[in-house]
Amino acid sequence: ILNVEQSPQSLHVQEGDSTNFTCSFPSSNFYALHWYRWETAKSPEALFVMTLNGDEKKKGRISATLNTKEGYSYLYIKGSQPEDSATYLCASPTQGTYKYIFGTGTRLKVLA
Amino acid sequence: GAGVSQTPSNKVTEKGKYVELRCDPISGHTALYWYRQSLGQGPEFLIYFQGTGAADDSGLPNDRFFAVRPEGSVSTLKIQRTERGDSAVYLCASSSHRGGEQYFGPGTRLTVT
Repeated sequence: ILNVEQSPQSLHVQEGDSTNFTCSFPSSNFYALHWYRWETAKSPEALFVMTLNGDEKKKGRISATLNTKEGYSYLYIKGSQPEDSATYLCASPTQGTYKYIFGTGTRLKVLA
Repeated sequence: GAGVSQTPSNKVTEKGKYVELRCDPISGHTALYWYRQSLGQGPEFLIYFQGTGAADDSGLPNDRFFAVRPEGSVSTLKIQRTERGDSAVYLCASSSHRGGEQYFGPGTRLTVT
């Protein structure tokens, strides 16, 4: 059974602070790791698809790193803004399938 | 262009009734996924289609749940003899290829009374 776990469960930061959270997954037979942002009353939005150990991806103030050998990915937000408030989800498929297992998410609240 | 759409947005039904939930993926996307999301949880995989065929239906909880995608585009998730425990948000996502980033629809909130 593939367990994808995220921490922390929730996070409050002040506007302008930088923050990061973690997604952990079984490192054996890794295929891909996806990050999504899910704002209230909207659809989950894809941020990154990461496949290679050591991958680093960036989109504006948001970046992510991947360590497939130890089974974790970090998502970083630099200079958090209120519009960054959302739930951040990661997902990875089980071995040899396209059955994506999602973590429970990190709920970020950026206070103005 | 148009994103993934799902209808209805909300559905309230009585226990024991049959419901159909529809998903219109992005045109040209061959991969289509159904998920179920309960409060406080991440999306839970139900089924994955590649083209017209269900490539992986291992997430369907029992035989009351069934999904089709007859022409490789629109998909319908069908739930027979609904139970209160089926109440959740049902999300659909499509992707241009297996393993690619998924584009999600707004979801259908199903409430079984």
